[in-house]
Amino acid sequence: DQQVKQNSPSLSVQEGRISILNCDYTNSMFDYFLWYKKYPAEGPTFLISISSIKDKNEDGRFTVFLNKSAKHLSLHIVPSQPGDSAVYFCAASRSGGSNYKLTFGKGTLLTVNP
Amino acid sequence: GAVVSQHPSRVICKSGTSVKIECRSLDFQATTMFWYRQFPKQSLMLMATSNEGSKATYEQGVEKDKFLINHASLTLSTLTVTSAHPEDSSFYICSARDASYLDNEQFFGPGTRLTVL
Repeated sequence: DQQVKQNSPSLSVQEGRISILNCDYTNSMFDYFLWYKKYPAEGPTFLISISSIKDKNEDGRFTVFLNKSAKHLSLHIVPSQPGDSAVYFCAASRSGGSNYKLTFGKGTLLTVNP
Repeated sequence: GAVVSQHPSRVICKSGTSVKIECRSLDFQATTMFWYRQFPKQSLMLMATSNEGSKATYEQGVEKDKFLINHASLTLSTLTVTSAHPEDSSFYICSARDASYLDNEQFFGPGTRLTVL
């Protein structure tokens, strides 16, 4: 039972354009969401997060949108740069859970073409 | 800040041997550390949650006698793969949670590639 889903295994965009990465979740108890970026053979790097009390969080070129009613979040990268090419993982957790476990999606490979 | 290291980065061992992987939080205290494994083109699968000074909590389907976890200090957790077999070959990643942060952010190590021959 996959509680966090990233239905697009890959995405290709042109440099300078917007990249939109999508994520859906099924567990209504999740109330904190994170995006991580990962290069091959490296650990994930934290990008941006959002609490369920918000519907948008912005940090530079990265913006995360949360639609709680649809159980959907998205990561927007604008403008996209070739260095953004990596696998992006969406993760979700429950605040107040004793262990703060993260549940990850399968990731989306983003390729930004020069 | 919030740097997590792992050692070794890569290990090759013979079937039947045991391998220890270390995870360290370098500039913060981590009351909780997590161990994941990742198969090619798959998601990160949580194996266990490690709390300093107490027994680890294993996810369903993970053999606790095979994957021994020790979290002896606020900056170090170890994962020992006992009697390793080729099917244990994988990319193992640890993460640590900074107890001073209220959010659920975890900081990840660079991972350890284990190959069992």
